[in-house]
Amino acid sequence: QKEVEQNSGPLSVPEGAIASLNCTYSDRGSQSFFWYRQYSGKSPELIMSIYSNGDKEDGRFTAQLNKASQYVSLLIRDSQPSDSATYLCAVDMRFGAGTRLTVKP
Amino acid sequence: DTGVSQDPRHKITKRGQNVTFRCDPISEHNRLYWYRQTLGQGPEFLTYFQNEAQLEKSRLLSDRFSAERPKGSFSTLEIQRTEQGDSAMYLCASSSDRGGNTIYFGEGSWLTVV
Repeated sequence: QKEVEQNSGPLSVPEGAIASLNCTYSDRGSQSFFWYRQYSGKSPELIMSIYSNGDKEDGRFTAQLNKASQYVSLLIRDSQPSDSATYLCAVDMRFGAGTRLTVKP
Repeated sequence: DTGVSQDPRHKITKRGQNVTFRCDPISEHNRLYWYRQTLGQGPEFLTYFQNEAQLEKSRLLSDRFSAERPKGSFSTLEIQRTEQGDSAMYLCASSSDRGGNTIYFGEGSWLTVV
């Protein structure tokens, strides 16, 4: 069974803080890693993809991948209230349960 | 470039009825996925096509569920003899196996079984 686990949250951070979201996966042969954001009642939208070990930065978002530890993370810098959503980790075609993030003004 | 299109967006049906959802993927995408999502959960993998071939099917998918992609373009997901537990959002997504296989979702089809 290929599993993707996320810290269940919910996670609450003040506006301007760094939000840290974590994900582990069970299939060591996994190739593709993604973070999606999902607002209530909407479908998931892609934030970032990462395929090789290390960090990948895109604006306020940084994804980190460690294949040896089977671990993926997402850092959101300068968090904004509009970042309040559920964040989904995806490994190949499988998704975690999501972490609900609330950014308080 | 249009995104993934799903139809209908909302469906209310009586228990025991059959329902069918249609998905039109992004035109150049050869892979198509179906997921089910309930409140507070992540998308649950149901099945996956590469072109017209159904390559993987979740064991969670009972024999009441069937999916097809007859010409490698649009896909249908049929649920027979619906049960209240089938109430969920059914998400279709597509990707291309060139360039990272990023999965893009449609808006989803909401099913309510009464």
